[in-house]
Amino acid sequence: ILNVEQSPQSLHVQEGDSTNFTCSFPSSNFYALHWYRWETAKSPEALFVMTLNGDEKKKGRISATLNTKEGYSYLYIKGSQPEDSATYLCSHGSNYKLTFGKGTLLTVNP
Amino acid sequence: EAGVTQFPSHSVIEKGQTVTLRCDPISGHDNLYWYRRVMGKEIKFLLHFVKESKQDESGMPNNRFLAERTGGTYSTLKVQPAELEDSGVYFCASSLAGTRNYEQYFGPGTRLTVT
Repeated sequence: ILNVEQSPQSLHVQEGDSTNFTCSFPSSNFYALHWYRWETAKSPEALFVMTLNGDEKKKGRISATLNTKEGYSYLYIKGSQPEDSATYLCSHGSNYKLTFGKGTLLTVNP
Repeated sequence: EAGVTQFPSHSVIEKGQTVTLRCDPISGHDNLYWYRRVMGKEIKFLLHFVKESKQDESGMPNNRFLAERTGGTYSTLKVQPAELEDSGVYFCASSLAGTRNYEQYFGPGTRLTVT
């Protein structure tokens, strides 16, 4: 993998459902993996910065895991709420420059 | 603490005109970055300042784009002359010195439309 790839591109879930997305990134020259939450016309909000293989981080109902050897990270949202609707961006950090995936657009229906 | 601010929030200009975007980073952040998201594509890196010095401008599309950070505080990104393909959202971000793996704090972006 040369670029950062995210799947799925978009996702519709019902309120209360749990969901997860995938980010794949180059496993060589790894520095850090960043997850951002972005609502249009607002600042992308940093969720997690992960640097170590096997890292697991949690913030409220959102958690993330990291596998640097195989080059992937999962983002989990437990009990989705309508306010979780946003684009979730994954980026691979290398020497300050962030390389982003296209994002996963999550829509949570009430 | 104020976050990263960008001005204007929207700009609509005609092809051939000039536009200047401004970014005010978080106070004390030596690192400042410009990124761009063209519709339907991923956010792409344009360049990186450390204080007033350009560290990496490998993402700048061509010489119609000029970024400056005089005095090491706010930064401007000028597009002259603008072309249709320059339309997109221009993000600015900042981070503390010596924090290669740490968070970059993003502004809300400037949405540029070239008609």
